[in-house]
Amino acid sequence: AQSVTQLGSHVSVSEGALVLLRCNYSSSVPPYLFWYVQYPNQGLQLLLKYTTGATLVKGINGFEAEFKKSETSFHLTKPSAHMSDAAEYFCAVSDRMGSGANNLFFGTGTRLTVIP
Amino acid sequence: KAGVTQTPRYLIKTRGQQVTLSCSPISGHRSVSWYQQTPGQGLQFLFEYFSETQRNKGNFPGRFSGRQFSNSRSEMNVSTLELGDSALYLCASSLQRGSAEAFFGQGTRLTVV
Repeated sequence: AQSVTQLGSHVSVSEGALVLLRCNYSSSVPPYLFWYVQYPNQGLQLLLKYTTGATLVKGINGFEAEFKKSETSFHLTKPSAHMSDAAEYFCAVSDRMGSGANNLFFGTGTRLTVIP
Repeated sequence: KAGVTQTPRYLIKTRGQQVTLSCSPISGHRSVSWYQQTPGQGLQFLFEYFSETQRNKGNFPGRFSGRQFSNSRSEMNVSTLELGDSALYLCASSLQRGSAEAFFGQGTRLTVV
């Protein structure tokens, strides 16, 4: 069974400050891990993904995440927040050996607010 | 190339009616998955289709069904609509089963009144 826990349904940061969105996962098999962003009335856009190999993953818009197997975590960070980063962010896990990204288990999401 | 296309974007239906939503995947993609997004339950997996066959199904009642055509386009159908079926329905396409990346459409917002 797979699941994701996102700590903090709402996070507020000042423009230019560090963004840290937390994600912990549970998986009985080797996982794929993903971060998606959703703007109002839009679908989901992939920010970054971890499949295998390097545990520090760089994505679009300056975001990155580190896969820490010992902590079962995949936290999303960005050194300096921009107003355009305000959106909802979803962490997701899937079974690498099964359906992969075709069957995603999502966290409940974190709404990021950027204060000017 | 064109992304994932979902039609219609918005839909209003009455309780008890049925509805069909359509998803055209990215050209060359053979796998399509559907998700339901609601404020209360979040994002939940509905089904996965590959090569015109349902490969996985989420925990939804039998009123929710789907199919995939030979050109990989997919439809999902909800019969006997309930108020709780009001949601954003998202479709995602991948190159093949087990892919490490899925691309989402903009969704169909269904409102049941």
